[in-house]
Amino acid sequence: EVQLVESGGGLVQPGGSLRLSCAASGFTFNTYDMGWVRRAPGKGLEWVSNIIGSGGSTYYADSVKGRFTISRDNSKDTLYLQMNSLRAEDTAVYYCAKVQRWPGAFHIWGQGTMVTVSS
Amino acid sequence: DIQMTQSPSTLSASVGDRVTITCRASQSFSTWLAWYQQKPGKAPNLLIYKASSLESGVPSRFSGSGSGTEFTLTISSLQPDDFATYFCQQYNSFPFTFGQGTKLEIK
Repeated sequence: EVQLVESGGGLVQPGGSLRLSCAASGFTFNTYDMGWVRRAPGKGLEWVSNIIGSGGSTYYADSVKGRFTISRDNSKDTLYLQMNSLRAEDTAVYYCAKVQRWPGAFHIWGQGTMVTVSS
Repeated sequence: DIQMTQSPSTLSASVGDRVTITCRASQSFSTWLAWYQQKPGKAPNLLIYKASSLESGVPSRFSGSGSGTEFTLTISSLQPDDFATYFCQQYNSFPFTFGQGTKLEIK
């Protein structure tokens, strides 16, 4: 069974950092692009970042560029999102998602992990 | 960037109704558009990809159509399980963008 399990969310002060992890299983991880999508309370879905299967190319929303870094460890079947200089507006549930064969939609999603940025 | 404008933002309907949700793009693109359903406290669920392809396991009452700048999601006969929030998403080019969402409520 294909599964994605996020971890690493929590409460952090403005300006702080957090690293999210997404453990993948049930598929050949290094052959699929992956992404992060978030949903802030009372808001809609917002795409955050994507990374290709090899890890060689990454893409970011303007709202997080320069502060967030997506990466992957294909030896551990794990996706990461390093979040620095966090702001109150980064408060959201963060989902990792698997991309269908490129170009593809997000067809498998994790359960989400909550990130709260507050003093 | 491609902006996606989804309408309506809220839709009240009854079980058995046929409903349509629309997404309009700020610039034309081919068919790299997806529709997702999300229920409170749950992850989004892919319904339609490539504008009109039904994801495996999704009931056939869901259908998608369109290309260019206008795309639609249709539910042919609403079931109780369909009351949720729906989002469109373009994956034609980065940055990927979602519509604002349509909350489908029971009338």
